[in-house]
Amino acid sequence: QVQLVESGGGVVLPGRSLRLSCAASGFIFSDYSMHWVRQAPGKGLEWVAVISDDGSNTYYTDSMRGRLTISRDNSKNTVHLQMDSLRAEDTAVFYCAREGFTFGAFDYWGQGTLVTVSS
Amino acid sequence: QTVVTQEPSFSVSPGGTVTLTCGLSSGSVSTNYFSSWYQQTPGQAPRTLIYNTYTRSSGVPDRFSGSILGNKAALTITGAQADDESDYYCVLYMGSGIWVFGGGTKLTVL
Repeated sequence: QVQLVESGGGVVLPGRSLRLSCAASGFIFSDYSMHWVRQAPGKGLEWVAVISDDGSNTYYTDSMRGRLTISRDNSKNTVHLQMDSLRAEDTAVFYCAREGFTFGAFDYWGQGTLVTVSS
Repeated sequence: QTVVTQEPSFSVSPGGTVTLTCGLSSGSVSTNYFSSWYQQTPGQAPRTLIYNTYTRSSGVPDRFSGSILGNKAALTITGAQADDESDYYCVLYMGSGIWVFGGGTKLTVL
């Protein structure tokens, strides 16, 4: 069955960097685009970034543009989110999600990893 | 930047029908926005309900349906049940690889 497992969250000081990972299993990883979506405590979902199946195309939300790098390793079935210059307002649960074969169908989600930016 | 709008809250009686909408601060939603809908209960990951405006995700009961109503995307729940009480989010494709979620609707069944 399809599984997405995020890791790498934790407490980080403002201005520091963090790299999140999402390990995928149960499907042919290299066939799918992958997204990151975040949710601040008590707030709604916010789309963050997407990477195409072969990694050749990446797109980012304006609110974090310039501080994010999404990447993937299809040999390890893993997608990463590098976040730099973190701010308190970046505190959130970060989910990875698979985009199904139909454009825009975020059909499977991980359980999320919590990032807390605090001094 | 265009904002995706949703009703902050809605209430429906058990067995009733409710339609949640997903609009734009400027302009009309069409199928070109590839709207999708997600259900989320506290502490849980989102669950996919509808994608590409109309298509129900695998395992989702046919009580849930997606459409375009006027200038908005819509999620209709018929025969509402107690466990439909959740937060509901839509997301729209803005072009150039960018997606934007609405602020979510908190649905109460009472």
